[in-house]
Amino acid sequence: GPKVLQIPSHQIIDMGQMVTLNCDPVSNHLYFYWYKQILGQQMEFLVNFYNGKVMEKSKLFKDQFSVERPDGSYFTLKIQPTALEDSAVYFCASSPDRGNSDYTFGSGTRLLVI
Amino acid sequence: SQWGEENLQALSIQEGEDVTMNCSYKTYTTVVQWYRQKSGKGPAQLILIRSNEREKRSGRLRATLDTSSQSSSLSITGTLATDTAVYFCATDAGGNNKLTFGQGTVLSVIP
Repeated sequence: GPKVLQIPSHQIIDMGQMVTLNCDPVSNHLYFYWYKQILGQQMEFLVNFYNGKVMEKSKLFKDQFSVERPDGSYFTLKIQPTALEDSAVYFCASSPDRGNSDYTFGSGTRLLVI
Repeated sequence: SQWGEENLQALSIQEGEDVTMNCSYKTYTTVVQWYRQKSGKGPAQLILIRSNEREKRSGRLRATLDTSSQSSSLSITGTLATDTAVYFCATDAGGNNKLTFGQGTVLSVIP
């Protein structure tokens, strides 16, 4: 079936540095998401994105976080600067449209901030 | 069952047995979704049950939904070792494109 690709699969970065996580969503999907999962815990919503805009973000989506999808390229999550508590697995997902619950998730980017 | 302040649950069963996992949710939702997450992978949607449905089947899977008690269950019949994974339920309140996941149930199927 259709897939969401995430690049890179793993990233180790020094605290305070910038990191960009990349996501290639399903080609005809219009809604994009980032979720955060700390080891052993449930997945938590960060942000959703539609028509070039952030539609909703959670309290986990700190000021240091930003998302964009310039010109239909990768949907990215940028963290600048990174903090130790940003270490987690970040999952990208996409869905066809507003109100459509047919989500497809990527395999995640494992981010370790040291 | 999963949700709220409950810890991550774990179940260990023999291949061939049937299993039922439960979850309860706190807020209004139009759908409950069940996901399977295998080690090192993202969650994969297994079954979606809407608020006007009481039961939904897909192969060896059966989901139920009780909106009055705000609870859902996922049953797997004739489990296989490949069913070993973490199973999450998730709600999408009012179709607002924001999933809220439960804590999950770790299922180990022993061959």
